[in-house]
Amino acid sequence: GEDVEQSLFLSVREGDSSVINCTYTDSSSTYLYWYKQEPGAGLQLLTYIFSNMDMKQDQRLTVLLNKKDKHLSLRIADTQTGDSAIYFCAESKKSGDSNYQLIWGAGTKLIIKP
Amino acid sequence: SQTIHQWPATLVQPVGSPLSLECTVEGTSNPNLYWYRQAAGRGLQLLFYSVGIGQISSEVPQNLSASRPQDRQFILSSKKLLLSDSGFYLCAWSVTRTNYGYTFGSGTRLTVV
Repeated sequence: GEDVEQSLFLSVREGDSSVINCTYTDSSSTYLYWYKQEPGAGLQLLTYIFSNMDMKQDQRLTVLLNKKDKHLSLRIADTQTGDSAIYFCAESKKSGDSNYQLIWGAGTKLIIKP
Repeated sequence: SQTIHQWPATLVQPVGSPLSLECTVEGTSNPNLYWYRQAAGRGLQLLFYSVGIGQISSEVPQNLSASRPQDRQFILSSKKLLLSDSGFYLCAWSVTRTNYGYTFGSGTRLTVV
């Protein structure tokens, strides 16, 4: 199948770390992505990881990839109120016309408690 | 640099009225273009995608249609809106045959009353 699965909600306290998890099914996916959607806005590419990498770090963001288990996670250190958003996981899948389609998870809503 | 414009930002339309949402991309040529719908702030449903002028693939049979009259213009239309067409519509583009991901517009909130 083409399912990308994420839990729908995550609640964390301000200042703690947030870990958003995702599982995907296509082992041939070469790139995996995290997008952020703030209320009423479009999606923004937050970060991505190439499938031959285990980890990628970018300031407060750490992406971990376990290719064997097809598991992707996004860790946000020192979570701030501005991190409140829906986070979408996506995998790329090559289509018949040599283009790449993104297969999306349902999104995890990150709720920040004061 | 590349930019994507989507308008209008919000729209309230009566049931049975027509719809036209427009999306344009600047700063690139021959982009792949996409229309998504998002219900109740949740998951993304791919409605249409296009790899070139006049080439439209429909992912979900519905009351909507799409057209690409120019290379960087993508239009979502309906002849008669239904209540179930309400939602948040997102346009996106990607570079042809690459894995660079998608760039999204700011979205249109459509409410059918």
